[in-house]
Amino acid sequence: QPVLTQPPSASASLGASVTLTCTLSSGYSNYKVDWYQQRPGKGPRFVMRVGTGGIVGSKGDGIPDRFSVLGSGLNRYLTIKNIQEEDESDYHCGADHGSGSNFVVVFGGGTKLTVL
Amino acid sequence: QLQLQESGPGLVKPSETLSLTCTVSGGSISSTDYYWGWVRQPPGKGLEWIGSIYYSGSTYYNPSLKSRVTISVDTSKNQFSLNLNSVTAADTAVYYCGRSVGTTNIADHWGQGTLVTVTS
Repeated sequence: QPVLTQPPSASASLGASVTLTCTLSSGYSNYKVDWYQQRPGKGPRFVMRVGTGGIVGSKGDGIPDRFSVLGSGLNRYLTIKNIQEEDESDYHCGADHGSGSNFVVVFGGGTKLTVL
Repeated sequence: QLQLQESGPGLVKPSETLSLTCTVSGGSISSTDYYWGWVRQPPGKGLEWIGSIYYSGSTYYNPSLKSRVTISVDTSKNQFSLNLNSVTAADTAVYYCGRSVGTTNIADHWGQGTLVTVTS
């Protein structure tokens, strides 16, 4: 099964842009990854799914146009433009693997985004 | 609007069984379109998938927890439940229940979470 790696922290100034990275382990370059936003004290919120061709399907409910994704090689990126205070959150990436009795879901360690 | 709400004891003793229930409102747990599952987050750490269940009762578990986990569904109450036995301090976490779309496995709705602390 894939291992997802995320840097533990990132920061950006209000109104600036930031790109968060989720890296798949070797051999899983064709995998799609789901991005989730988790505001302090809240449950995760689906942002969008990304593959090597970019977004897969639709964004989650209420996700602004400022959020976009790209995929390249083993990396899956989430970019947030014109950062707002409400974007300060933990961002998690996740992926599913296998089927039937071998089905599993794996997550990265999460990146804490601080808005300066 | 779909809502999920976790409930259960906030404190569990070591070696005992952690039991949580997720109540679904604004939608039917018997829908053929979705799976229902549990994820946990230890303090200061990332998310860990525990397992999922289909309304029919088919289950899928994290291999690392499989020997201790049971997820069940009660369609008459529109609820599903998590039992984790033989708990230790390492099972202390915020537990979230959620819904995944069956065709994509995207977890599109989550509860607010409930903190369970394992302590004597």
